[in-house]
Formats: sequence, C-alpha cells, structure tokens
Amino acid sequence: GQQVMQIPQYQHVQEGEDFTTYCNSSTTLSNIQWYKQRPGGHPVFLIQLVKSGEVKKQKRLTFQFGEAKKNSSLHITATQTTDVGTYFCAGPRGSSNTGKLIFGQGTTLQVKP
Amino acid sequence: DARVTQTPRHKVTEMGQEVTMRCQPILGHNTVFWYRQTMMQGLELLAYFRNRAPLDDSGMPKDRFSAEMPDATLATLKIQPSEPRDSAVYFCASQPSGAYTEAFFGQGTRLTVV
Repeated sequence: GQQVMQIPQYQHVQEGEDFTTYCNSSTTLSNIQWYKQRPGGHPVFLIQLVKSGEVKKQKRLTFQFGEAKKNSSLHITATQTTDVGTYFCAGPRGSSNTGKLIFGQGTTLQVKP
Repeated sequence: DARVTQTPRHKVTEMGQEVTMRCQPILGHNTVFWYRQTMMQGLELLAYFRNRAPLDDSGMPKDRFSAEMPDATLATLKIQPSEPRDSAVYFCASQPSGAYTEAFFGQGTRLTVV
C-alpha cells in the first residue's frame, strides 16, 4: 500500500541553526500537507502544496513539492525554541485529492537555546 | 472559534473494560478521521467517514474496535475489551468537503489501560 516516509526521525539543533525534514511517498501524490505538533498537543495544519515543483514560504519556513510529486521537504532557517515539536507530512491515499490522509512518521525537532 | 471536541481528554481503565471515546466534528465538515498515536507507530489511521458513512476502517483491529457516526455531530470509537497495548493518544480530525482541504484535529484522548 501507499507509504509516506519521513527522515530524519529526530533532529537536535542549536538555536540559530537550520533544519530540514524530508518526506517521500511510494506513489505520486495529488497534494501534500504539512502539520506541526507541539509537545503534548495535537497536529495543526501548516500548509498544503499542490503543484509539481511548488515552493511556498511562511516566514522562516520553506516548503517544497518535488517535480514528480513524490517527495517534499520542509526547511527552517535559523531555528528558534518556538520551533520545537514534531513535523508531519501527509498525503491522500490513492489518486483522489480528497482521499484519506496518510501521515509520515514525523520528524521531532529539539532546539537547544 | 470552531474546533473539534473530543471527550474524555484522559481515560485510565482496567484491562477488559469497555472504552468509548467521543468526537464532535466541526459543524459542516463532512469527513471524519480517527487516528491513534504511539511512539512506536506514529499516527495510524484507524477509520474514516464521509457524510457519516464508513469508507475505510482497514486500519482498525476489528475484533475489539468499532467506530460509528450516529449523527453528523457525533463520532464514537469503542474498544471492547480493552488491552494494555491499546494505550495511546486517540485523535479525531474533521475535514470540510471539497478538494485540497486541511484536517482539523481535536485535542485527543489519552488512554491508559492497566
């Protein structure tokens, strides 16, 4: 079945360093979504990418969708302690753009002040 | 401020007991998901409803788990009998109709089976 894999599983950085997490799907995705879960919290939607090669920015966060629509990345520039949490990518299973959301395992980011 | 509401927030129960978790999706959202989160498995999709009809519950252990939507304002997830390995955080999420819509998660039910 369709799988969504994320690497790395954990990342510890010093405040001010950059951070990147990668998401790979075994099948082509119609779109990909990114969520952030703070410790003890619930996943909260960050952004959605739909087009091949799409790049979107939110302040220090840069999201990319691969040309083949099978991979994506989230890059954080100059991390801050408020960036701590687990970042998940998620894609709809199947070719439909409204299918059930399958989540990657997540990348947990720790930031040392 | 519309939100997904889950009850209870925490539940401690003894092995063998029935557990019922409830979710009130955001009004007007027609898709509801149940996820289970553990350290080992991450976010696993258990069940998925659209317009109250179950579309997929292949991720759910059928012998002890059941999910229903008795009406548009309530989704339930039951475990009977519960086992220690069911200990996890259970999230409900709802999604509005249409293409490319985000999922809104509830705060989760933290279940501990002893």
